[in-house]
Amino acid sequence: NAGVMQNPRHLVRRRGQEARLRCSPMKGHSHVYWYRQLPEEGLKFMVYLQKENIIDESGMPKERFSAEFPKEGPSILRIQQVVRGDSAAYFCASSPGQGLYGYTFGSGTRLTVV
Amino acid sequence: GQQLNQSPQSMFIQEGEDVSMNCTSSSIFNTWLWYKQEPGEGPVLLIALYKAGELTSNGRLTAQFGITRKDSFLNISASIPSDVGIYFCAGQPADGGSQGNLIFGKGTKLSVKP
Repeated sequence: NAGVMQNPRHLVRRRGQEARLRCSPMKGHSHVYWYRQLPEEGLKFMVYLQKENIIDESGMPKERFSAEFPKEGPSILRIQQVVRGDSAAYFCASSPGQGLYGYTFGSGTRLTVV
Repeated sequence: GQQLNQSPQSMFIQEGEDVSMNCTSSSIFNTWLWYKQEPGEGPVLLIALYKAGELTSNGRLTAQFGITRKDSFLNISASIPSDVGIYFCAGQPADGGSQGNLIFGKGTKLSVKP
């Protein structure tokens, strides 16, 4: 019974490139959440998705960032034209339904922009 | 935006000592959660609190949901070396935000000397 799987674990991109981060939720979970963590900081909510729908994107930067959770396959967080300030750990969590029951985090993707 | 003030920022203690950390907010929260994060990993849930005044234990850990709904504390008794890590409080605010949108504190970094 695998947990929340995120890949890659580490990603290095040059400024201006695109970064694609993947999150496969736990089996039976249809709700996915993305968070960003800067060094020495807590996690900051970015976006909440259900299959094929964005429920809450109040924490997403307005430009260059997008997220999807298609009917089949993992959720993708996409960052276009990355800048140094995008360097952070990006965590995904999933839950079986609305609310916090079973809300579980993955191990994260560490993005470094050089 | 809403913030959680977590203190202390860091603690250096001797093995066997008790530890106490807390989180406060200027606004009311419906849920308080305490997480532990180890290097290179995602946060792992330790204790969840759902009702004002609730006191919950998980082994050597005890947490309480403050009666004003604006604070919570976590105690660790008889610390051991494997307690080392960063402890985060997180909460679900009563006003606004979707059900999966958690607000995190900045963390308390715990170091334990054997």
